[in-house]
Parts: sequence; structure tokens; C-alpha cells
Amino acid sequence: DTGVSQDPRHKITKRGQNVTFRCDPISEHNRLYWYRQTLGQGPEFLTYFQNEAQLEKSRLLSDRFSAERPKGSFSTLEIQRTEQGDSAMYLCASSGNYEQYFGPGTRLTVT
Amino acid sequence: AQSVTQLDSQVPVFEEAPVELRCNYSSSVSVYLFWYVQYPNQGLQLLLKYLSGSTLVKGINGFEAEFNKSQTSFHLRKPSVHISDTAEYFCAVSEGAEKLVFGKGTKLTVNP
Repeated sequence: DTGVSQDPRHKITKRGQNVTFRCDPISEHNRLYWYRQTLGQGPEFLTYFQNEAQLEKSRLLSDRFSAERPKGSFSTLEIQRTEQGDSAMYLCASSGNYEQYFGPGTRLTVT
Repeated sequence: AQSVTQLDSQVPVFEEAPVELRCNYSSSVSVYLFWYVQYPNQGLQLLLKYLSGSTLVKGINGFEAEFNKSQTSFHLRKPSVHISDTAEYFCAVSEGAEKLVFGKGTKLTVNP
């Protein structure tokens, strides 16, 4: 299966700790997106890359959040000094055209 | 700015009944429209998409949707649902190969 993969699937951390998530897109896709989904809501856009260039960042992406895609393949999303409000499902998607294909998500719980 | 409104937060139906999940969008430019399905604790799976051409689009699992530009709607339909269709459904819009803007979702519950 060559779908989008995300690691880890679940992460429990204490408030104030740093966490990093990884996303591996479908290999031939040049665009990669990060979204956040909280309970009872639709996914909200965070940021996206075309190859290694980060082209757009949402206002939701505070200074504590940083994303990279160093070689235009996999991407990482880091959250520094986590807060309880960061608890959510973090979804990654990749695209080669107009439709986006999503990974299974990383569920973050901040205690 | 784009926005998506899913008019029903929950839709209960009986097995083998038809169902329609409603979606309205707003945008100042031409858009691409999508429906995704999400099963519990999973990512989103693309059901169908409208990019251009025929306004009636067919997707996986027997779902179809109709794009209505004058009413800015993209309602999802299935003539006969199964228990396995129980899930949350999201309508989304984009203005190209950019970010998706999602509605808040509709929880479809199919009862025996």
C-alpha cells in the first residue's frame, strides 16, 4: 500500500513538552498539507508545501508550531511547549493534482 | 473567503432507505468541491469530487453528488444505504490546488 502514512498514531504528552509528528506522502505527490481536527469539527488547514517550499501558513499556526519538508518528501510538524488546547487529531494529506489524500492522523493528548 | 455549511449535523436513517446530506458553499471564484467520509479514529477517505464538466458526479460506495452553481450547493445522495455507511461525512471546497475548507460534518447513522 502506497498511501499517506503518519507516525505516531497516538501521542500522550505532558503540558510544556515538545512533540514532533512525521508524515510520509504518496511518493509521486509534490504537495503536502497539514490539518488539525478537534472533536465535533471538520479539519482546519494549518500549512502546506509544494516540494520543499512552505507556501501558506494559517493564522492557527502559532509561533510554537513549525513544519518542515526538507527534501520535498516526508514532512515533520513540531509543537513546542504544548498546551492542553493543542489536543487534537493532526492530519496530513498529499496531492499530485487537485484531490487530496489523507493519512490516518496522529491523535495528540496533552495532559 | 470560502466557507462551507453542512445543514444537518446528524442524519438518522433506516437501512435501505435513501439519504441526502446537504452542503452549501460560498466563494467568489470558481471552486472545486469534494465529499470525504471519516470512520471513527481514522483519516478521511475521498468519496467523490467535482472539478469541472458534468454536474452529476459519481463516487465510491454508490454515492453521487450534484453540483448546482446557481444554488451554490453540492448535496450528497445515496439511493439505498447500508449499516456500513454509518460514519461522518465532510463537504469541502478549494479554489485550486490549495487548502481545503471543510464543513463541520454530518454524522450519518444507519439503523437496522
